[in-house]
Amino acid sequence: QSALTQPPSASGSPGQSVTISCTGTSSDVGGYNYVSWYQQYPGKAPKLMIYEVSKRPSGVPDRFSGSKSGNTASLTVSGLQAEDEAEYYCSSYAGSNNLVFGGGTKLTVL
Amino acid sequence: EVQLLESGGGLVQPGGSLRLSCAASGFTFSSSAMSWVRQAPGKGLDWVSAISGSGDTIYYADSVKGRFTISRDNSKNTLYLQINSLRAEDTAVYYCAKGYVSNGRFDTWGQGTLVTVSS
Repeated sequence: QSALTQPPSASGSPGQSVTISCTGTSSDVGGYNYVSWYQQYPGKAPKLMIYEVSKRPSGVPDRFSGSKSGNTASLTVSGLQAEDEAEYYCSSYAGSNNLVFGGGTKLTVL
Repeated sequence: EVQLLESGGGLVQPGGSLRLSCAASGFTFSSSAMSWVRQAPGKGLDWVSAISGSGDTIYYADSVKGRFTISRDNSKNTLYLQINSLRAEDTAVYYCAKGYVSNGRFDTWGQGTLVTVSS
């Protein structure tokens, strides 16, 4: 399975909204509602931010939201804060008991 | 507190073997599917393997089939990954994560253990 496609970087000023895309195919993102998003700070383990396309785990701020249209999933961070500066990865179930991740997007808060 | 703690990483020569461990606490381990995810230096995340709570069902990424073996000891609340015939491209931080491949929902991660394959 090929990795999902994410933009290498995204940025926004504090208080603004930014959206990160995650593009796959009908065999992964488009075929299943099992898209997750992870936040990772340098040298730290990833943290689950969104699962099943748009669900937020307990404790994740509602500034983080997820959606999907066709073969592309999106993570939107509203009201950007300095602490949101991190790497973000999407993942999707890809059928046949396989899981694929995106290449990651470095979010910079200007 | 839900916690995962990996160990067993280190420097190994190409063709060598290692066994990684992941000690779990704070949740009902035997009821929880578990996975291993790795991250090469400066690279993205890469799902490696998953195992059901009972240990009856196991899945591997194509890239590690035949070389990696996932297992668990529910009496010790511990997850394992036996990695054989190591290659340079297996160099990575290996994370254990609570969750299963079928939904990709990894809600708890360990701090990771570094495996370096080099002569």
